[in-house]
This record gives sequence, structure tokens and C-alpha cells, in this order.
Amino acid sequence: DAGVIQSPRHEVTEMGQEVTLRCKPISGHNSLFWYRQTMMRGLELLIYFNNNVPIDDSGMPEDRFSAKMPNASFSTLKIQPSEPRDSAVYFCASSSGQQETQYFGPGTRLLVL
Amino acid sequence: DAKTTQPPSMDCAEGRAANLPCNHSTISGNEYVYWYRQIHSQGPQYIIHGLKNNETNEMASLIITEDRKSSTLILPHATLRDTAVYYCIVVNSWGKFQFGAGTQVVVTP
Repeated sequence: DAGVIQSPRHEVTEMGQEVTLRCKPISGHNSLFWYRQTMMRGLELLIYFNNNVPIDDSGMPEDRFSAKMPNASFSTLKIQPSEPRDSAVYFCASSSGQQETQYFGPGTRLLVL
Repeated sequence: DAKTTQPPSMDCAEGRAANLPCNHSTISGNEYVYWYRQIHSQGPQYIIHGLKNNETNEMASLIITEDRKSSTLILPHATLRDTAVYYCIVVNSWGKFQFGAGTQVVVTP
């Protein structure tokens, strides 16, 4: 069984550019989570989807960040415009329901110059 | 939301049991205790979870005190590959995982 798939694995971009991170959850999972990890702030929950609907986006830093889940097998996290402080590792996780085990993808390492 | 307290670091000798403590004194009755670990910059890896009873799987054992205010993760025979940051997380009713700083475990030969 394939786990959570994220792409790209690494992204280097310049300040001001648009960045799109992609996630494919585990088949059959109906909850999807986006996290960001930095040395300063650790692992932070950005947004949580249940059945493709955003439930809690209180962790999204600001309007430059947006996330979508057009169907049960695909989600995107977009940063527009990107800034150097957005440099971090972004993880996607999925689970089969509330309070169920979350399974994490390998992450996307983003560097904004 | 319940918060957790873990020691920032601990060392363990290879082949010995590693006992990782976690304090979650404000946990509510319907909140689960989850343990994850993160090796270097990989995605967090699920280890074990429990509500009230002690749990054991192929990776570890989880001991939860009767008042549920603390728990201990036990790695029965630590190997070098168990070197990682270990996170203890209390999960609320809608499934929000709040990761703290975790415990950096270093297993030495």
C-alpha cells in the first residue's frame, strides 16, 4: 500500500514567486492535514480537511497561504507570493477519521531565496 | 486542549530498555495519548496510542497511569535506529494533534 505521497520533495524558489505543494492521501482516508515544521516553531498544524471540506484553518499563517482539496485523492497548499520566512518542511498527513492515527508523508522541503 | 511535558533529551544504551516519560495532567476523559517519532527530517512515524489501558505492539509499550495524568513509552530493546525525536501528543475530540518539542533520544553503542 502506498503511503501519503507528496510532491515535489524539494523546492527552491525566489521571493515573490508562487509555490504549489501537492499531496495524495492514503486511499480510503477521509481526513487530511497540512503541517509546517521549522526549527523555531516546531511542527505546526496549518489546516485540516474532513471529507474534502476545510474544518479548521486557524493555523494558516496569513492570506498568502491557501489550501484546497478538490477531491478525496488530492490536495494542494499554495503560497502566493512566497517569502523567505516561508522556508520550512511542509508535511501532509491523512487519517481514516477523527482521533484516528495520522500517517505522514515524506514532506516537501521549501527554500525561498 | 491538553498540553504535554517531556524531557528535552535522554540517552539510552543499545540493547537496553528506553523509558520515555510524558506528563499530561490536564487531559480530558475522551482524549487519547499518541506517540510518534521523527528520525532526522523524515515525516513523523506513528508508534502507539491509548486511552486508558496499557497498550503493546511490535514497536513499543505504552503505560498510562490510572489517573491518566502521565504516561510512559517503553522501547524494550533500543537499537541505534531508534535514535529520533519522540513526541507525546494528546488528541482532542476532533482529532487535533498538537506537537510539542518532544524528547531527543540518542541510543549509544
